[in-house]
Amino acid sequence: DTAVSQTPKYLVTQMGNDKSIKCEQNLGHDTMYWYKQDSKKFLKIMFSYNNKELIINETVPNRFSPKSPDKAHLNLHINSLELGDSAVYFCASSQDADARTQYFGPGTRLLVL
Amino acid sequence: QKEVEQNSGPLSVPEGAIASLNCTYSDRGSQSFFWYRQYSGKSPELIMFIYSNGDKEDGRFTAQLNKASQYVSLLIRDSQPSDSATYLCAVGGGYNFNKFYFGSGTKLNVKP
Repeated sequence: DTAVSQTPKYLVTQMGNDKSIKCEQNLGHDTMYWYKQDSKKFLKIMFSYNNKELIINETVPNRFSPKSPDKAHLNLHINSLELGDSAVYFCASSQDADARTQYFGPGTRLLVL
Repeated sequence: QKEVEQNSGPLSVPEGAIASLNCTYSDRGSQSFFWYRQYSGKSPELIMFIYSNGDKEDGRFTAQLNKASQYVSLLIRDSQPSDSATYLCAVGGGYNFNKFYFGSGTKLNVKP
């Protein structure tokens, strides 16, 4: 049973396109996160939702828009993709919002050409 | 100054040796400290967490926390080639209570 799943696993697209990444967790957790990991392996938080409510909104371009239809899902939509958006995007979840143990999805490898 | 700092390595140790991985953090109010292991091309997986000063042992792994020095470390005893990975230190519960800051990771190579 997959705890945190993401689709797609790989995404290759052209500059300027709009794309979405989906994340689902079946752990019954209240909090979900999006992280970006760049080529230097630095993992940086982008957004966090707790029970469908946005609680962390880091300084990311407003081309990135998260959406949480329910507490088991957190999707990431990216408009007007740029070369610098190429990275691995990880979804994660935790029991609650007080920064305890997080469980990561397998990652989505995005390559913008 | 980054919130969490780690030496990027690589740290090379022979099989059977003790590997020592270190991490410092800037927010003195941080309350939770984690070590994640990440194999190449895979997602981070939690190895250990520690909340109180001192040592915490789990099998071959020992996490050490010194809040006064803002320092957390991970010791891996009897290192195995399968321990070769990047180890990420993460710190949470500080001035921005909900946030979780990761270091850039230390790459560990265990040579047979």
